[in-house]
Amino acid sequence: DSGVTQTPKHLITATGQRVTLRCSPRSGDLSVYWYQQSLDQGLQFLIQYYNGEERAKGNILERFSAQQFPDLHSELNLSSLELGDSALYFCASSVEGRTGELFFGEGSRLTVL
Amino acid sequence: DAKTTQPNSMESNEEEPVHLPCNHSTISGTDYIHWYRQLPSQGPEYVIHGLTSNVNNRMASLAIAEDRKSSTLILHRATLRDAAVYYCILRNNNDMRFGAGTRLTVKP
Repeated sequence: DSGVTQTPKHLITATGQRVTLRCSPRSGDLSVYWYQQSLDQGLQFLIQYYNGEERAKGNILERFSAQQFPDLHSELNLSSLELGDSALYFCASSVEGRTGELFFGEGSRLTVL
Repeated sequence: DAKTTQPNSMESNEEEPVHLPCNHSTISGTDYIHWYRQLPSQGPEYVIHGLTSNVNNRMASLAIAEDRKSSTLILHRATLRDAAVYYCILRNNNDMRFGAGTRLTVKP
């Protein structure tokens, strides 16, 4: 158990819909990362937050957004969903944002029908 | 970001040591070398990291070349549970980007 909690574990929805994925980091970790992993692709870095502020942005679509709240949990919002958005979405946390190790949650599996 | 190069796949026999190589010829002086692994149907798992000196922990050892342009992750006795994709990553900024990694197959 990494200490990072992601909900929901599984989500099935239809194209055009909007979903929110939630991540609770390990106690004491200030930084949260989001990744997308599709069947035919590796881990794609989406976005990183540190203590509530966005610090780095990767291959995140404009239809996706995220935020980190004062209690340090984070949410990833996916809107106008397309079939290609079906993937595993992982959250990771670290104590600080630049050099420390990342601890990953078990992921949220999104299926868009 | 400085990049890493790893073999696409490797095979090992159970209970034998495994040496997973990683080349990072453009590494900068402040880049940390991180290793993660991803078992089937699971999230990535931190294995080990280091800056200049060799590192050991309960999971593995990390051997870093003197010029830091390459490193090797050493699993001392591979088990079937070590079959996974192993990622070598250089870390010195806010984002953390994974490459394709090395898929390790462990044969009984």
